[in-house]
Parts: sequence; structure tokens; C-alpha cells
Amino acid sequence: NAGVTQTPKFRVLKTGQSMTLLCAQDMNHEYMYWYRQDPGMGLRLIHYSVGEGTTAKGEVPDGYNVSRLKKQNFLLGLESAAPSQTSVYFCASSYEAAYAVQPQHFGDGTRLSIL
Amino acid sequence: SQQGEEDPQALSIQEGENATMNCSYKTSINNLQWYRQNSGRGLVHLILIRSNEREKHSGRLRVTLDTSKKSSSLLITASRAADTASYFCATDAGTGFQKLVFGTGTRLLVSP
Repeated sequence: NAGVTQTPKFRVLKTGQSMTLLCAQDMNHEYMYWYRQDPGMGLRLIHYSVGEGTTAKGEVPDGYNVSRLKKQNFLLGLESAAPSQTSVYFCASSYEAAYAVQPQHFGDGTRLSIL
Repeated sequence: SQQGEEDPQALSIQEGENATMNCSYKTSINNLQWYRQNSGRGLVHLILIRSNEREKHSGRLRVTLDTSKKSSSLLITASRAADTASYFCATDAGTGFQKLVFGTGTRLLVSP
């Protein structure tokens, strides 16, 4: 049982390049999330999804796009990378929270540097 | 914007001692969670406390919640070197939904 798997683990990009971060979960979770973690700022929610085919904006969505074509996968795209997007990106998933908040399960992150 | 602020930012103790971390938040909440993050790893859920609860225990962890003061504390008793990590509180910021707002974290170092 792998849980939440993120690929790649590390990546260096040049300003203006594009890339896609992949998140896969094998727990049949309905909800999935993308966060970024910057020094001294904790985690901030970029986008999230409450089910296959649905996405919504979080706290810091600008410069990112997401897709949830399959229930187990949640993709985060950077169309034109900027140095301000240098960060550690975490994907998380959880069961549906219709009646009670559920713990979120996190991947080990993608460390992205943009030069 | 950050909902929670942990205090202290860093804490250094010896094995066997207790560690207490505090979290203050700004808006009303329905629940508050604590997560642990080991260096270079993702966050791991520790405990969830609802707004109508005042205290909760899980093994060596004890969490308290004071909604009147908008604060929570995490106590780790009899600390071990393996407890060395960053600890974050997260709230639903009153939405009752799964969108968590995280604090800035407390870095705990437990020396043998």
C-alpha cells in the first residue's frame, strides 16, 4: 500500500518552462489537494478536488492549473514557471467529509527550483 | 493568509522531557488538527479535536482546545529522539470543510 505518491521528487526548471507534477493515491479517496510549502509560511492550498472531473481554487491558485481525469490521479501544471514558484509541493488526499472531517494523507513532496 | 501561529517556533529538549507546543488561530473553527513532518518528508496526521471537545489523548500525545482563547496546545510526554520533527496545527477556518489552513509550525529537537 503506497498511499500518496508524487513524481518527480526533484526538478529544476528555467523561467518560462512548463511542467506537470503528478500525484497518485491508492486509497480510493474522493478528495485530493495540492499545497505549496515555503520557509516560515507553513502549507498553503493551491487547488483541490472533491471528485473525479472536479477542481476548485484554493488560497494561492494563480500560475497553476490542475486536472482530475481519474479518481486516483491529481495533476498540477505550471504553464510558464516563475522564480516565485520555487517551493516544495505536497499532494494530499482524504475520504469524503460529508459528515465528519477526515485526516489528510500526504505524499513526500516535489522539490521544485526555478532559475 | 496563515490561520494559525505556533509557539515557540523552535524547541530543544532532552529525551524523557515533555514538549509543549501552542497554536493560536484567528477565526472560529469547527475542528483543529495536528500534523507532524519529519525532515524531507510529507505531513503525518496525529490527532483531530472538534470545537466541542476540550481535551483529547492519543498515546503520548495530549491535545487541548480553548475556543474562547482561540488556542490549542500539543503535549508530547516522555519525548524520544524519534519525535524530532516539525509540528503543525491546521484548522478548517470555520468552513466545516476539508480545506485546511496551516500554521507556521514548531521545530522540535529531542536530543539523546
